[in-house]
Amino acid sequence: QVQLVQSGAEVKKPGASVKVSCKASGYTFTDYYLHWVRQAPGQGLEWMGWINPNSGGTDYAQKFQGRVSMTRDTSITTAYVELTTLRSDDTAIYYCATIYGGNSDVGYYFDYWGQGTLVTVSS
Amino acid sequence: DIQMTQSPSTLSASVGDRVTITCRASQSISRWLAWYQQKPGKAPKVLIYKASSLESGVPSRFSGSGSGTEFTLTISSLQPDDFATYYCQQYNRFWTFGQGTKVEIK
Repeated sequence: QVQLVQSGAEVKKPGASVKVSCKASGYTFTDYYLHWVRQAPGQGLEWMGWINPNSGGTDYAQKFQGRVSMTRDTSITTAYVELTTLRSDDTAIYYCATIYGGNSDVGYYFDYWGQGTLVTVSS
Repeated sequence: DIQMTQSPSTLSASVGDRVTITCRASQSISRWLAWYQQKPGKAPKVLIYKASSLESGVPSRFSGSGSGTEFTLTISSLQPDDFATYYCQQYNRFWTFGQGTKVEIK
């Protein structure tokens, strides 16, 4: 069964960086893109970007370009998102998600999610 | 960017009620729309994909309709487990979510 297990909560100061991990299991890691979505407290969901675990290629939402980096380590089937120059409004739960069942017929929606990682930015 | 607008933001209902949530896209997204349910402290769970297809394991009281820019999620008979927040998501071009609709107990 597909599982995405994320690293634990983080507390960071403004200006610092944070790196969150997402360990995948139950499927071939390199066959499916891995996405990152965040949710500020009491707010909606915001797509941040994706990484192709096979090639390492990435695509980031314009809002995060220049501040976000998505990487992976195929040897341990783990993906990472790093956000730099943190601000208080980066306080959010960060989710990884994958599109496992997607195809050209049903399209590409997120059908498996990690449990989320709370990142708190506070001085 | 494609903007998604849900209404209402909050909905008060009773067990057994028929509930409808609306989602509008800022431009046509064909039928590339999904609906998610999220409970406090949990990740979103997909209910509906391609506007009207029921994800495996989701109860049949959930249904979706629409195409182009107007979509609806209907719960035919609200159950205690359905009190949650619901999000629509377009996946026609990249991925964007509506702001959410909280379904609360009346």
